[in-house]
Amino acid sequence: EVQLVESGGGLVQPGGSLRLSCAASGFTFSTYSMHWVRQAPGKGLEYVSAISSDGGSTYYANSVKGRFTISRDNSKNTLYLQMGSLRPEDMAVYYCARDPNWNYPHFDYWGQGTLVTVSS
Amino acid sequence: QSVLTQPPSLSAAPGQKVTISCSGSSSNIGKNYVSWYQQLPGTAPKLLIYDNNKRPSGIPDRFSGSKSATSATLGITGLQTGDEADYYCGTWDSSLSAGVFGGGTQLTVL
Repeated sequence: EVQLVESGGGLVQPGGSLRLSCAASGFTFSTYSMHWVRQAPGKGLEYVSAISSDGGSTYYANSVKGRFTISRDNSKNTLYLQMGSLRPEDMAVYYCARDPNWNYPHFDYWGQGTLVTVSS
Repeated sequence: QSVLTQPPSLSAAPGQKVTISCSGSSSNIGKNYVSWYQQLPGTAPKLLIYDNNKRPSGIPDRFSGSKSATSATLGITGLQTGDEADYYCGTWDSSLSAGVFGGGTQLTVL
């Protein structure tokens, strides 16, 4: 069974940093590209970042470019999102999602999400 | 302001058919496949349609997708109360080099 379990969310002050993790199981992690998508409270889905299966290619939404870094450790079946210079508008539930087709991305499995709260 | 445009809300009676539109541009829907997601309250999104019109295993054929030029449509027939959810379209934007979503459509079945 495919499972994606996010962790690392919590309360952080504006300007602070946080690292999210997404532990994958039930599939060959190293053969799938992965993404982060977020959802602010009561709002819609917002795309955050993507990483290719080997980690060699990464993409970011303009809203997080230069502040967030996506990475992965295929030996640990884990996806990461290092978030820095956090702003109140970054407050959201962050989902990791599996993508079976890097050329035409879509998200066939999602984690349950982890909440990031940015507040002083 | 979302890159893809969806109606904020729709309602229909049980058993009826509803279509949800998703409008984009030449750099996103016009160049890439569209996917659709269902989000029930308090849960993570679930893939309903990918590559414009393909259904993952386990998704009933009441759900269908289509695309024409820079717009896409999700159709749901035989509406059930359990279909009450938020629906999102998504695709890749080749100019932004990032994924994009619609603002979501809240479907009410009454």
